[in-house]
Amino acid sequence: DGGITQSPKYLFRKEGQNVTLSCEQNLNHDAMYWYRQDPGQGLRLIYYSQIVNDFQKGDIAEGYSVSREKKESFPLTVTSAQKNPTAFYLCASTSGGANDEQYFGPGTRLTVT
Amino acid sequence: EDKVVQSPLSLVVHEGDTVTLNCSYEVTNFRSLLWYKQEKKAPTFLFMLTSSGIEKKSGRLSSILDKKELSSILNITATQTGDSAIYLCAVRKYNTDKLIFGTGTRLQVFP
Repeated sequence: DGGITQSPKYLFRKEGQNVTLSCEQNLNHDAMYWYRQDPGQGLRLIYYSQIVNDFQKGDIAEGYSVSREKKESFPLTVTSAQKNPTAFYLCASTSGGANDEQYFGPGTRLTVT
Repeated sequence: EDKVVQSPLSLVVHEGDTVTLNCSYEVTNFRSLLWYKQEKKAPTFLFMLTSSGIEKKSGRLSSILDKKELSSILNITATQTGDSAIYLCAVRKYNTDKLIFGTGTRLQVFP
């Protein structure tokens, strides 16, 4: 069964701690994305990667970091520099090219207190 | 600056009503417009529109793109409680794999 998995589903952290959110896909997609969603708002792009070992900042990259060492994996680290980290985080992927649809994982809800 | 705007922000209707959701965009190098439905978790894909005036249909849902007006509508007829969700509109530009999302329309359907 092909798809995108994100773990954990819910994550609680204390302020000042870095936390890493996992995103894995077995769709053989080249491009992967991280979005943040706040209540009543749409999706805002944090980082994206179009190929292994390469990634670009999105619109709200400050306080976040990513890596893309393997095609299937695109972990996101929320650092202590992120001022308002509590949010719903969605990972997505696309095969790129002519196919514009992005496939989404189930999301991770991060709460920082 | 590229922008995607959805209206209304929120909509409350009764089962059986017909609703129309709007999406307008100001985006250079427009390539396609996508609609997603988001319930509790991951957005699920509904439609992708690239050509003006051609309606895409899936059951009670339909959507059409107007490139002259830089907008799209999503229609849902005979709404059901299961249609309650956030509906997201996104635009893809040429030469990039990025999607630009609107803020979404929250639809609540009551029995």
